[in-house]
Amino acid sequence: DGGITQSPKYLFRKEGQNVTLSCEQNLNHDAMYWYRQDPGQGLRLIYYSQIVNDFQKGDIAEGYSVSREKKESFPLTVTSAQKNPTAFYLCASRDTDNQPQHFGDGTRLSIL
Amino acid sequence: AQTVTQSQPEMSVQEAETVTLSCTYDTSESNYYLFWYKQPPSRQMILVIRQEAYKQQNATENRFSVNFQKAAKSFSLKISDSQLGDTAMYFCAFMSYNNNDMRFGAGTRLTVKP
Repeated sequence: DGGITQSPKYLFRKEGQNVTLSCEQNLNHDAMYWYRQDPGQGLRLIYYSQIVNDFQKGDIAEGYSVSREKKESFPLTVTSAQKNPTAFYLCASRDTDNQPQHFGDGTRLSIL
Repeated sequence: AQTVTQSQPEMSVQEAETVTLSCTYDTSESNYYLFWYKQPPSRQMILVIRQEAYKQQNATENRFSVNFQKAAKSFSLKISDSQLGDTAMYFCAFMSYNNNDMRFGAGTRLTVKP
């Protein structure tokens, strides 16, 4: 079955540590996205990528970094510069311009 | 920048009844897409319905329908014959033709009561 796989489902970060959230899709979609969701709030865009080796900052990119070396993979690194990383992170992908986004099941990141 | 507003943080409805969730948006563009996503307790985001702005006809998907008022920049979701499985957070989302990002509202938590 085609879909988006996010791993791990739960992740814990120590103070000063970088952590990487994985997002893999086998839908052959060009565009991929990372969102952050805080309790009781909507989704805020962190980064997005329309093609391999290219990505753009979203509204809350500070403290995060991404790479897009392969079409199917778009990992997100939460750096130590992100002072409030506890949140639910959702990865999404989209095919052509007139198609909606498909979402993974998310990763919940917490601080130890 | 486009903004999406959902003015109802929480709503409840009796099973089998009808409920309408509100959404307004702000944009200067004339061509765009609007979506409603459902997020059940599992946290998975599920597309419920979509509407292209150039289409005057309101979209419908089984028990779900929208009331799209382009001039008023309003995009409400009507759920008919509510079922317990409809209990979820519902997010309204906007996507323009020109940009590739999607703007989400803050969500409405819907509870269907037996």
